Amino acid sequence: SQQGEEDPQALSIQEGENATMNCSYKTSINNLQWYRQNSGRGLVHLILIRSNEREKHSGRLRVTLDTSKKSSSLLITASRAADTASYFCATSKGGSRLTFGEGTQLTVNP
Amino acid sequence: DAMVIQNPRYQVTQFGKPVTLSCSQTLNHNVMYWYQQKSSQAPKLLFHYYDKDFNNEADTPDNFQSRRPNTSFCFLDIRSPGLGDAAMYLCATSSDPDQPQHFGDGTRLSIL
Repeated sequence: SQQGEEDPQALSIQEGENATMNCSYKTSINNLQWYRQNSGRGLVHLILIRSNEREKHSGRLRVTLDTSKKSSSLLITASRAADTASYFCATSKGGSRLTFGEGTQLTVNP
Repeated sequence: DAMVIQNPRYQVTQFGKPVTLSCSQTLNHNVMYWYQQKSSQAPKLLFHYYDKDFNNEADTPDNFQSRRPNTSFCFLDIRSPGLGDAAMYLCATSSDPDQPQHFGDGTRLSIL
């Protein structure tokens, strides 16, 4: 069964605006990861946040994790047209298996 | 650049005709994964290898098999493809469980 649910399913914004995507999950985790997928391509790892961390930054990306609410958010600041893609959260409970959420389709309009 | 390479990018096969998809990696990672992804859906894990140990997902159909002859290569065999097997098949690797996965660009499989 899918562990993660993402919200919104689709998001359309203008270049320069910030984009926020949310992910909720059901059971305890070791870490939560965010991936980007451009149309027709494979997934690209963006950021990993461990269960004992609350916030991580990488360039224009900011990820938060609230284990009490079993939720995470991905913020992309100053978005660009090249950020147009699907974004997936994925949870790890330890071991080799990641469970992906259904993804958010982000469209950044020039 | 070190990477995960999937061949071919597009594969067309006939209903019921066996097909093999290939994946190679130059990352020397211990773990290799095969995912199935249908349009606008999340990737679905089919199975993975941790070194030579094969781990099948409980809901992966018997029609799907895999081989990992060495660290660098992994194959997905679909013995009798049905129309419902048309999808993007993604290969991924990781150095260790819990570490980020590195994905190839996938093979899009069409069934005639």
